[in-house]
Amino acid sequence: KAGVTQTPRYLIKTRGQQVTLSCSPISGHRSVSWYQQTPGQGLQFLFEYFSETQRNKGNFPGRFSGRQFSNSRSEMNVSTLELGDSALYLCASSFGQSYEKLFFGSGTQLSVL
Amino acid sequence: GESVGLHLPTLSVQEGDNSIINCAYSNSASDYFIWYKQESGKGPQFIIDIRSNMDKRQGQRVTVLLNKTVKHLSLQIAATQPGDSAVYFCAENHSGYALNFGKGTSLLVTP
Repeated sequence: KAGVTQTPRYLIKTRGQQVTLSCSPISGHRSVSWYQQTPGQGLQFLFEYFSETQRNKGNFPGRFSGRQFSNSRSEMNVSTLELGDSALYLCASSFGQSYEKLFFGSGTQLSVL
Repeated sequence: GESVGLHLPTLSVQEGDNSIINCAYSNSASDYFIWYKQESGKGPQFIIDIRSNMDKRQGQRVTVLLNKTVKHLSLQIAATQPGDSAVYFCAENHSGYALNFGKGTSLLVTP
C-alpha cells in the first residue's frame, strides 16, 4: 500500500505570494490532518478534514486554509506569505478519528524569501 | 492550551545500551498517547501508542510506560542501534481533538 504522498517536496516563494500544497492520503483513509513543523515551535496542528468537512482547526490565521476532495486528497493554501511561514508542512492520514495513529508524508519544505 | 513537554532535548547512548526517552504532559484528561520517530528529511514515523486505561505496552524492541499519577510517559528502546538515531516525539490527545506534539528529543547512538 502506498504511503502518504505530498507534493511538491520543496518550494521557494517570496513574501506576499500564495502557495498551494497537495496531499494524497493512504488508500482507504478518510481523515487528513495538516501540521506545520518549525525548529522553534515543533509540530503545530493546522486543520483536519474528514469526508470533505473540516472537523478541527488549530490556532493559525485565516491566511491558512485547506480543503478535501471526494477522493480524500487534500490541499492546503497559504495566502500573502510571510517570512515566518517558512516551515516543513506535514500531511498525515488516518482511517477514522484524528486522534488515532497518524501516518505522515515526508512533507513540503516551504521557504519564504 | 495544554502542554506536552520533554525532559531532555538530546540523549546520547552507546550502541547496544537501552535508551529511555521521557515525556511529561499536563492535561489529566489526556486519554491517548503516541510516540513517533523522525529521521532527517522524513516525516514522523509511528512507533507505538497507548491508551490511558493501560500502564504499559510493548512492541518490537520498544516499550511505552504511562504513569497517570505523575502525568509521565516514557519510551524505552532495547539494545539501541545506530538506525535508532533520530528525533523522537511524544504526542497526546484529549477530547477527540488533534494530536498535540511535544518538542522532541534527539537520540544519538554512538558506536
